Amino acid sequence: GENVEQHPSTLSVQEGDSAVIKCTYSDSASNYFPWYKQELGKRPQLIIDIRSNVGEKKDQRIAVTLNKTAKHFSLHITETQPEDSAVYFCAASMTVQEKLTFGTGTRLTIIP
Amino acid sequence: EPEVTQTPSHQVTQMGQEVILRCVPISNHLYFYWYRQILGQKVEFLVSFYNNEISEKSEIFDDQFSVERPDGSNFTLKIRSTKLEDSAMYFCASTGRTRLAGHQETQYFGPGTRLLVL
Repeated sequence: GENVEQHPSTLSVQEGDSAVIKCTYSDSASNYFPWYKQELGKRPQLIIDIRSNVGEKKDQRIAVTLNKTAKHFSLHITETQPEDSAVYFCAASMTVQEKLTFGTGTRLTIIP
Repeated sequence: EPEVTQTPSHQVTQMGQEVILRCVPISNHLYFYWYRQILGQKVEFLVSFYNNEISEKSEIFDDQFSVERPDGSNFTLKIRSTKLEDSAMYFCASTGRTRLAGHQETQYFGPGTRLLVL
């Protein structure tokens, strides 16, 4: 089955700097790659997703890149703000309707 | 915006007791899921449900677990005889097209039920 690895497990960044979180996946049949933000005790909230027919997607300060050949995808957050502090999970699935396999999460702390 | 809802938010039960966790998916969604998250760990898939039947289940989803869509709006997860290791946050999710996602399908999560087995 699919296996998703995520690095780093923790990341501290000065406010205003950029943060990058990386994930690799094992199943070349995966085509859907969402990123979720989870605040303490809350539900995972989708922040951005990318499908395999696209190499990069951007939404304001957030961008995701996908390299299907290397089987890795990354989340980039620019101009970080204190409210970006949370745990971020990457995930992979064959299609959006099928089960998500999650990475182990990255605890991002923005230092004011 | 429509949201996935779950009840109860917290449930404490004794080992060996049955629990039923309830979810109301977003109304026009067709695919439903249960995931769980043990404290401090990643989210793990339990089961997916489509067209009134299970489409996939994980190794975690053994004979103690069952799902049901009893009335066309609710989606329930039953644990027949709870064990200590069932203590976790249980998330329901559903997939469909929503305005939030710019008319693309995406998987939305409910707020979760925190289950504590004593």
